[in-house]
Amino acid sequence: QSALTQPPSASGSPGQSVTISCTGTSSDVGGYRYVSWYQQHPGKAPKLMIYEVSERPSGVPDRFSGSKSGNTASLTVSGLQAEDEADYYCSSYAGGNNLVFGGGTKLTVL
Amino acid sequence: QVQLVESGGGVVQPGRSLRLSCAASGFTFNSYGVHWVRQAPGKGLEWVAVISYDGSNKYYAESVKGRFTISRDNSKNTLYLQMNSLRTEDTAVYYCAREPQVVVLLYYFDYWGQGSLVTVSS
Repeated sequence: QSALTQPPSASGSPGQSVTISCTGTSSDVGGYRYVSWYQQHPGKAPKLMIYEVSERPSGVPDRFSGSKSGNTASLTVSGLQAEDEADYYCSSYAGGNNLVFGGGTKLTVL
Repeated sequence: QVQLVESGGGVVQPGRSLRLSCAASGFTFNSYGVHWVRQAPGKGLEWVAVISYDGSNKYYAESVKGRFTISRDNSKNTLYLQMNSLRTEDTAVYYCAREPQVVVLLYYFDYWGQGSLVTVSS
């Protein structure tokens, strides 16, 4: 199973919005609603930010939102803050009891 | 509060074996599926395996199938990963991670451990 495709880097200034894409196929992202996004700060465990394409766990700021169109999912961070600087990973259920992750995107707050 | 604490990592030679453990607390362990996810140094996340809440179903990534075995002891609130025939490419931080809902497998994770480093090197 191939990894999902994410841009290696993204950036924005404080207060701006940035969108990170996650491209798969009809066998994973396009075929299921089980797309999730994780935030990972250096040396830390990942943290769930979005699940089931666009749902936000309690405690995650509403500045974080998710969407999907066809085989591409997106994470948008609005009102960028310094603490949003981290690596972001998407994941998708890929059928056959298999899960696939994206390669990760390093978000820099300028 | 929910806690997942991995242990058992270390340095091991290629071809040898190692067993990781993940001690769970703060929730009803025997009601949730749990996964292993790994991250090679400086690289992205890779799903490794999952076991259902009662241990009756186990699924693996192709990269570890036939070499790794996931298991759990619900009486001890502990998850295991037995890793055999280790390769240099298995070098990674191994995380245990919990499913967000009881019984079902949704393949995303609401709680993660802090990770345990496994280094495969001669």
